[in-house]
Amino acid sequence: DSGVTQTPKHLITATGQRVTLRCSPRSGDLSVYWYQQSLDQGLQFLIQYYNGEERAKGNILERFSAQQFPDLHSELNLSSLELGDSALYFCASSVSSGSQETQYFGPGTRLLVL
Amino acid sequence: GENVEQHPSTLSVQEGDSAVIKCTYSDSASNYFPWYKQELGKRPQLIIDIRSNVGEKKDQRIAVTLNKTAKHFSLHITETQPEDSAVYFCAASLDTKYIFGTGTRLKVLA
Repeated sequence: DSGVTQTPKHLITATGQRVTLRCSPRSGDLSVYWYQQSLDQGLQFLIQYYNGEERAKGNILERFSAQQFPDLHSELNLSSLELGDSALYFCASSVSSGSQETQYFGPGTRLLVL
Repeated sequence: GENVEQHPSTLSVQEGDSAVIKCTYSDSASNYFPWYKQELGKRPQLIIDIRSNVGEKKDQRIAVTLNKTAKHFSLHITETQPEDSAVYFCAASLDTKYIFGTGTRLKVLA
């Protein structure tokens, strides 16, 4: 157990809908990262938050947004869902935001868009 | 843009043999290189990492080597066991984010 928690574990929804994925970082970690992993694919970096502020952006679609709250948990919002958005969504956390920080991954949320 | 190439994409070895996975990164500013193991449907788990000021690091049966000049790093697993079967991802840290390789599916045959 990495100490990073994610809810829900599974999510099934329909095209056009909106969902929210939640992540709680390890105690003491200030940075949260979101990744998307499609079937049999690698991990695509979406976005990073550090202490409540957006720090880095990757290949995140405009239909997707995220935020980090004062208690440091983070939410990833996916809207106007398409079939291709079906994937495993992982969050990871690290103590700070340095380039040599180890990231610890949560168990992931499996999203299925029908 | 930043890129990490990982080879091979699949690797089958006999139990007890060694396995080597290689990664090449494009940005010389990368300074941290973690390796993750991911079992089917599970989260990636850190198994070993190396920083740019170190050439080699070992942890029991696992070792990682880094060649900054050539911009490549490798994972070595010795005396492989069936429980080593998984997908392995390398990553290169650039600024604040990781760039992951495409993964290597390792199968250890009993």
